[in-house]
Amino acid sequence: GQNIDQPTEMTATEGAIVQINCTYQTSGFNGLFWYQQHAGEAPTFLSYNVLDGLEEKGRFSSFLSRSKGYSYLLLKELQMKDSASYLCAFMDSNYQLIWGAGTKLIIKP
Amino acid sequence: DTAVSQTPKYLVTQMGNDKSIKCEQNLGHDTMYWYKQDSKKFLKIMFSYNNKELIINETVPNRFSPKSPDKAHLNLHINSLELGDSAVYFCASSQDHAGVVSEETQYFGPGTRLLVL
Repeated sequence: GQNIDQPTEMTATEGAIVQINCTYQTSGFNGLFWYQQHAGEAPTFLSYNVLDGLEEKGRFSSFLSRSKGYSYLLLKELQMKDSASYLCAFMDSNYQLIWGAGTKLIIKP
Repeated sequence: DTAVSQTPKYLVTQMGNDKSIKCEQNLGHDTMYWYKQDSKKFLKIMFSYNNKELIINETVPNRFSPKSPDKAHLNLHINSLELGDSAVYFCASSQDHAGVVSEETQYFGPGTRLLVL
């Protein structure tokens, strides 16, 4: 079967670093996506990993280990505007995105 | 210039009514999607259209029907609305359903907040 799991909520301090983990199980895999969703808004694309390793994009980095079914999103130099939900999703063999429920990230001053 | 637009943004209606939500994308993408995001924030795929052909049809009630007059539009019709239909409905589009994976990024519309009373 297919499933995907990420923590429901995390809290971090402005200026700090936070890592949001995502684990998944699937027989067919075509990549792992991270999206950001602010309250009341649409999800917006952050990153995509299909090969193992770390992809860095400014303050955000995403890591993938296909053998472990594991990914994380790393956010550095946290800003108040980073308070949002972070959605992990993998693309299965039918090129369908299977979404996690999202991790609500709360940034405190 | 809005890439993916939806109307209306809010929709409040009575049980049993029939309603439609419209979606348009100006990105030239070949594939469009409808998602339902419930109160628990799970995004669930409902439909996907590629070049006007339905390619994903999840086990949604047949009260829901997608209609695509052209590849830039994918409208969602809902008949006999029920209380459980209350949710946020997102339209999205991507360049292709398969192919160069970097082009699989899905761009989402602003969402339609449906409340059935």
